[in-house]
Amino acid sequence: QKEVEQDPGPLSVPEGAIVSLNCTYSNSAFQYFMWYRQYSRKGPELLMYTYSSGNKEDGRFTAQVDKSSKYISLFIRDSQPSDSATYLCAMSEDYGQNFVFGPGTRLSVLP
Amino acid sequence: GAGVSQSPRYKVAKRGQDVALRCDPISGHVSLFWYQQALGQGPEFLTYFQNEAQLDKSGLPSDRFFAERPEGSVSTLKIQRTQQEDSAVYLCASSPVLGGTQYFGPGTRLLVL
Repeated sequence: QKEVEQDPGPLSVPEGAIVSLNCTYSNSAFQYFMWYRQYSRKGPELLMYTYSSGNKEDGRFTAQVDKSSKYISLFIRDSQPSDSATYLCAMSEDYGQNFVFGPGTRLSVLP
Repeated sequence: GAGVSQSPRYKVAKRGQDVALRCDPISGHVSLFWYQQALGQGPEFLTYFQNEAQLDKSGLPSDRFFAERPEGSVSTLKIQRTQQEDSAVYLCASSPVLGGTQYFGPGTRLLVL
């Protein structure tokens, strides 16, 4: 079993849909949780980070962490074709230290 | 300002050849990370530097992999006697402080034939 699991997709949704992306993990010591967006042939860019359990909202993006279930989510509201990318979750025991990434979910938002 | 840059962007090597991949971090960033990303996978940690000190190299897959950052800015990842399983995208990231947000470069896509 990998340390971080993520459905690879691809996930296709119509423009304007609400998108839900999820990761599960096995290491209960993880405290910092991040979502990265990676466009094709580009490096990942940080979208959201949260510490411990709870919710965090930034514009159309909401990140949720449920440490008791070892489950994190990223919601994208009013999805746009420009959101089409691979979304990677990442987590670490200490922020900025060795991140463990999920394999990524490829998202396509269709106009 | 300029982001993290990496060169070359693409590298084709014959099996057994040595390669060197360069990373130019954002100016002033003290932390520098190297990751390996296989096709369809997330990045996997290789090593990281705080200034010129290599603080963790636990992710380097074998002694054929070597990284350096002699002056605390530019870093080079060297792979000796490349094997086909080394084919991947090698990503570099830098951070202004230890524990800060990591900013990734575009990666070097290595193909070993």
